[in-house]
Amino acid sequence: AQRVTQPEKLLSVFKGAPVELKCNYSYSGSPELFWYVQYSRQRLQLLLRHISRESIKGFTADLNKGETSFHLKKPFAQEEDSAMYYCALTYNFNKFYFGSGTKLNVKP
Amino acid sequence: EPEVTQTPSHQVTQMGQEVILRCVPISNHLYFYWYRQILGQKVEFLVSFYNNEISEKSEIFDDQFSVERPDGSNFTLKIRSTKLEDSAMYFCATTLAGGYEQYFGPGTRLTVT
Repeated sequence: AQRVTQPEKLLSVFKGAPVELKCNYSYSGSPELFWYVQYSRQRLQLLLRHISRESIKGFTADLNKGETSFHLKKPFAQEEDSAMYYCALTYNFNKFYFGSGTKLNVKP
Repeated sequence: EPEVTQTPSHQVTQMGQEVILRCVPISNHLYFYWYRQILGQKVEFLVSFYNNEISEKSEIFDDQFSVERPDGSNFTLKIRSTKLEDSAMYFCATTLAGGYEQYFGPGTRLTVT
């Protein structure tokens, strides 16, 4: 069963524009949701998790249980935000489900 | 800052051969994971490992796969008889404890010919 869906493979925006990377999930319980980022030639790293409710590098994500979504947002994109972004879910921290990723391209 | 390391960075092998991919976790981490990513596809969970045993494994992790922590430091993934479809990037991740941030290694690119 598809657990995590990221509908956009590629998202291109201009510097300073708002950006929203979509993530929808399918799970009936109370999962933990995460956003991971992979900059060019670097390893996957955690960007943020819903439980911490913090803003990292200007990004925020709110868990919407009604819409089963965990979209990642930033009001003003920067060129250094260009990267692959992966939404991920776990229900027990033993097994994780990743989305297929969205490549964000921020144009100057 | 401590990092997870993986060796080799790239492994080329012939179909049917055995391969061992190695991961050195961050020293005080207790939970270990393997993931794979076939080119152009999503990151897929393979297996999690804690206290010297498998915690959970995915449908991909069949009898051809095994994991162990042979010397208390390395965490290895063995593929007994590789198939063409095993070609992928394999990522190791480790975490201090359940619920903590996962730290990923740089990956090993496995190419099966």
